[in-house]
Amino acid sequence: DAGVIQSPRHEVTEMGQEVTLRCKPISGHNSLFWYRQTMMRGLELLIYFNNNVPIDDSGMPEDRFSAKMPNASFSTLKIQPSEPRDSAVYFCASTPGGRNTDTQYFGPGTRLTVL
Amino acid sequence: SQQGEEDPQALSIQEGENATMNCSYKTSINNLQWYRQNSGRGLVHLILIRSNEREKHSGRLRVTLDTSKKSSSLLITASRAADTASYFCATDKDSSYKLIFGSGTRLLVRP
Repeated sequence: DAGVIQSPRHEVTEMGQEVTLRCKPISGHNSLFWYRQTMMRGLELLIYFNNNVPIDDSGMPEDRFSAKMPNASFSTLKIQPSEPRDSAVYFCASTPGGRNTDTQYFGPGTRLTVL
Repeated sequence: SQQGEEDPQALSIQEGENATMNCSYKTSINNLQWYRQNSGRGLVHLILIRSNEREKHSGRLRVTLDTSKKSSSLLITASRAADTASYFCATDKDSSYKLIFGSGTRLLVRP
């Protein structure tokens, strides 16, 4: 298996632009997580999907952030409009089961820089 | 504050020495996990210990869990330069589905 796939690996954009991050979870996994990692705040859970349904989006910082999972093999995290404080590494992770007690498999991350 | 707090924040040792990292947490848990993150990479799961377990081994890794003290330790024996990475503990806060990560310990193993 190729593991969790994220694209792009690096994104540099200007403030105000729309940014779309993509994730393909491991085949057969039915839970998907989006995280954000910064030096100041560490690793934060943004949103959790189970069977393609958003279960908890309480970690999404504000309305500028949105996430979708149209099918079991694809998810997007969109930031519109982007701001410099959104600069971070964004990780997608998936697990086989519905509970986070399962091992989480992380993608390589997308390093976002907003100028 | 975060559910899991690692200690120390940074650790530098010589190759061949043992490295011990600690994690403290605040609420009840079902399990505690340790992850490694190499620079510029995603997190990789190392080991999971359940709340009814006290010790677990995996290769050169040894994890202990003391639920009375709400703490865990990760021991890496006979360290190698390739062990250089950040190590994070993660707990399921209040037995919910959320996995809360600590701030990590940065380990440097000098050749």
